Amino acid sequence: EPEVTQTPSHQVTQMGQEVILRCVPISNHLYFYWYRQILGQKVEFLVSFYNNEISEKSEIFDDQFSVERPDGSNFTLKIRSTKLEDSAMYFCASSGEGARQPQHFGDGTRLSIL
Amino acid sequence: KQEVTQIPAALSVPEGENLVLNCSFTDSAIYNLQWFRQDPGKGLTSLLLIQSSQREQTSGRLNASLDKSSGRSTLYIAASQPGDSATYLCAVRAQGGSEKLVFGKGTKLTVNP
Repeated sequence: EPEVTQTPSHQVTQMGQEVILRCVPISNHLYFYWYRQILGQKVEFLVSFYNNEISEKSEIFDDQFSVERPDGSNFTLKIRSTKLEDSAMYFCASSGEGARQPQHFGDGTRLSIL
Repeated sequence: KQEVTQIPAALSVPEGENLVLNCSFTDSAIYNLQWFRQDPGKGLTSLLLIQSSQREQTSGRLNASLDKSSGRSTLYIAASQPGDSATYLCAVRAQGGSEKLVFGKGTKLTVNP
């Protein structure tokens, strides 16, 4: 069964450094998402991406965050200058055409900011 | 603002028991509702998706129901097994073109052999 893959599984970074989280969505999916889950808290929406542009973003997704689809398979989340509070599990998800399709999630990248 | 609540936060049952997990949401104007399973340190596995026009969906031993007007969904697990032990999350997608899912905090299920 096709799946969403994320790399790396764990990233440790010094505060203030830039970090890029990578995702390969399911190949025929058209909608791509990033969510995050701070330890012990709910999964929170960050951003959705469709047709090579951001279609929706949350208040969390400020100027420090950016997303990109650099080629036909990868989808990345960049955090420009990491803060301690960015420590979380980051999940990539994708879905097919149409609002009736389920979102499929990857296993996540655990980001630890020191 | 949509809020999703799941009660109880944790549930422990003996193997073989049938059980129900609850999810409630404050805004009934939803497009669909999705149930997920999350194993420790892992991603979210989609279990069932119910469209707003549907009353229930079934997959194997799982049955999810939706009562949109009252803002409630249940996930019924029949004949529970130790392998069902995980955290179960529900998430709703609002009407009106939003693509984001709004999640509950989950119910941590332990099935004891």
